[in-house]
Amino acid sequence: AQTVTQSQPEMSVQEAETVTLSCTYDTSESDYYLFWYKQPPSRQMILVIRQEAYKQQNATENRFSVNFQKAAKSFSLKISDSQLGDAAMYFCAYRTLEYGNKLVFGAGTILRVKS
Amino acid sequence: EAGVAQSPRYKIIEKRQSVAFWCNPISGHATLYWYQQILGQGPKLLIQFQNNGVVDDSQLPKDRFSAERLKGVDSTLKIQPAKLEDSAVYLCASSLDNRDVRRFGNGTRLTVT
Repeated sequence: AQTVTQSQPEMSVQEAETVTLSCTYDTSESDYYLFWYKQPPSRQMILVIRQEAYKQQNATENRFSVNFQKAAKSFSLKISDSQLGDAAMYFCAYRTLEYGNKLVFGAGTILRVKS
Repeated sequence: EAGVAQSPRYKIIEKRQSVAFWCNPISGHATLYWYQQILGQGPKLLIQFQNNGVVDDSQLPKDRFSAERLKGVDSTLKIQPAKLEDSAVYLCASSLDNRDVRRFGNGTRLTVT
């Protein structure tokens, strides 16, 4: 079974600076999807960015980008020009392409943004 | 488009009581998911529906949890009887199919005392 590990329970960043959240995963599959979700206090999980494993190019969405290292099974999220609204819990998630396309989440990283 | 609707937003019950949560997915979404998120952990899939059929309920504690999606649209998740360890946020999500991105609701926070 696939597992997702987020080794940083909590991170802090100064407003306007850059922060990187770490994620590693374990799988024997060659093709899959990886995601970063944001969960603010409202509790709604919001998709931040996604990466398809067969694509070597790292995904980018405005201030959010990933560093996908397939051989190392690493998938980190970089947030540039951090804003107060970025403060939330961030979850890394893995989605298999096997039957059911199950989505497995890591334990999350709390991101605090200081003004 | 309207998002995934869930109710209630909060629920407090005593152990051994029963509780039900309701979810209305995004219109046209065939796949519906219920997740349990215990404090300090990531969401864990409880059950996945494709239309009104169950695709995966391997993590659902079937002695006390049940879920249905009778008409292939909205869904109800029930716990009977509740235990203290059931205290969690229950998230509903939906997608066009199981390869599509999941869209989540705001969840129901359940406290069992």
